Amino acid sequence: KQEVTQIPAALSVPEGENLVLNCSFTDSAIYNLQWFRQDPGKGLTSLLLIQSSQREQTSGRLNASLDKSSGRSTLYIAASQPGDSATYLCAVGDIKAAGNKLTFGGGTRVLVKP
Amino acid sequence: DGGITQSPKYLFRKEGQNVTLSCEQNLNHDAMYWYRQDPGQGLRLIYYSQIVNDFQKGDIAEGYSVSREKKESFPLTVTSAQKNPTAFYLCASSIESRAGYTFGSGTRLTVV
Repeated sequence: KQEVTQIPAALSVPEGENLVLNCSFTDSAIYNLQWFRQDPGKGLTSLLLIQSSQREQTSGRLNASLDKSSGRSTLYIAASQPGDSATYLCAVGDIKAAGNKLTFGGGTRVLVKP
Repeated sequence: DGGITQSPKYLFRKEGQNVTLSCEQNLNHDAMYWYRQDPGQGLRLIYYSQIVNDFQKGDIAEGYSVSREKKESFPLTVTSAQKNPTAFYLCASSIESRAGYTFGSGTRLTVV
């Protein structure tokens, strides 16, 4: 059974510092990995989608890498801002799962202090 | 603007009552999903539908029911058989299987 872990569960950094968020998964048979942002009481906003054949994706200050063989993905947020404060979740699409089921990690709650 | 609309934003259920959560999308996506989010447990899949008039149980389907009569709509009914329904419910869609997800803004259900 696929398991997705995000460590640390919470992170606090001063404004301007780069953020590094980690995601690990136990089964490398995935077809994609997606990073989401969730603000308190809100739905999930998709940040980046990495297909299994890709090594990384970039959007503005965000960069996500994928290493399927080691079961890891890292989300980098450059020059963090207070508006980046949110919970970040990663999710993997498991080839062995029926349908297009995503398995989610527990999230990393980020606080960027001004 | 294309997107997913969930309603209501907040819902209160009395003991023994069935309630229905609405999910509508105008993205022309084939696949739709319902997830439940609880503190400390992450998101868990309740039901999913890959095409109109077809749906499948997810990991925690007991006490829930769905229908998919139209491509745009995937309502979730929380029945009285669901013993612990208080949670945040999220609807999502994807253009096809194995594509990225788009989520709605969620419905918070509370038992009173």
